Amino acid sequence: AQSVTQLDSQVPVFEEAPVELRCNYSSSVSVYLFWYVQYPNQGLQLLLKYLSGSTLVESINGFEAEFNKSQTSFHLRKPSVHISDTAEYFCAVSDRNFNKFYFGSGTKLNVKP
Amino acid sequence: GAGVSQSPRYKVAKRGQDVALRCDPISGHVSLFWYQQALGQGPEFLTYFQNEAQLDKSGLPSDRFFAERPEGSVSTLKIQRTQQEDSAVYLCASSPRGKAFFGQGTRLTVV
Repeated sequence: AQSVTQLDSQVPVFEEAPVELRCNYSSSVSVYLFWYVQYPNQGLQLLLKYLSGSTLVESINGFEAEFNKSQTSFHLRKPSVHISDTAEYFCAVSDRNFNKFYFGSGTKLNVKP
Repeated sequence: GAGVSQSPRYKVAKRGQDVALRCDPISGHVSLFWYQQALGQGPEFLTYFQNEAQLDKSGLPSDRFFAERPEGSVSTLKIQRTQQEDSAVYLCASSPRGKAFFGQGTRLTVV
């Protein structure tokens, strides 16, 4: 089985500052890794994913995450956040059959002006 | 449709009442998942279908929970004799492979 830990339940940050949302996972098998974002009153949306290849993956809105196998981490970063990035972010893992996704408890990113 | 559709968006049930939650996945998506998201928590896996076959129901919390997808498309999650601890957002997701598309969820409140 797999599990995901998001240590920070809330991260307040000022606009244009950098941010890192931490995600660690545990698994006895190879996994795929995902970050989902949930804006207020909306469903979960895929932000980015790591399936194979380059360990650094990027989203279209400036977020990036790096898969670190030795540290079993998949931290999400953005060098300069916007007010519109205020949302809850969920890290998730799945086995390589995509039969089940395991989610972390989420990190609420609050970007202040 | 354009995305995964869930209905109703909100449901208030009296304790002991049965409820049925509907999920319309994206057309052609083979895989369908149900998740339960309690307040302040991440989504917790309930069950998984591949077409009409329920391949994994290990996350269903009790035998009061039942899910079906008889024709491999629309799915229904039924909760019998609802209890207060069933209050949560129930999320449905469909997937072609490698990416899960989520609906907006049904917020169930048991009073």
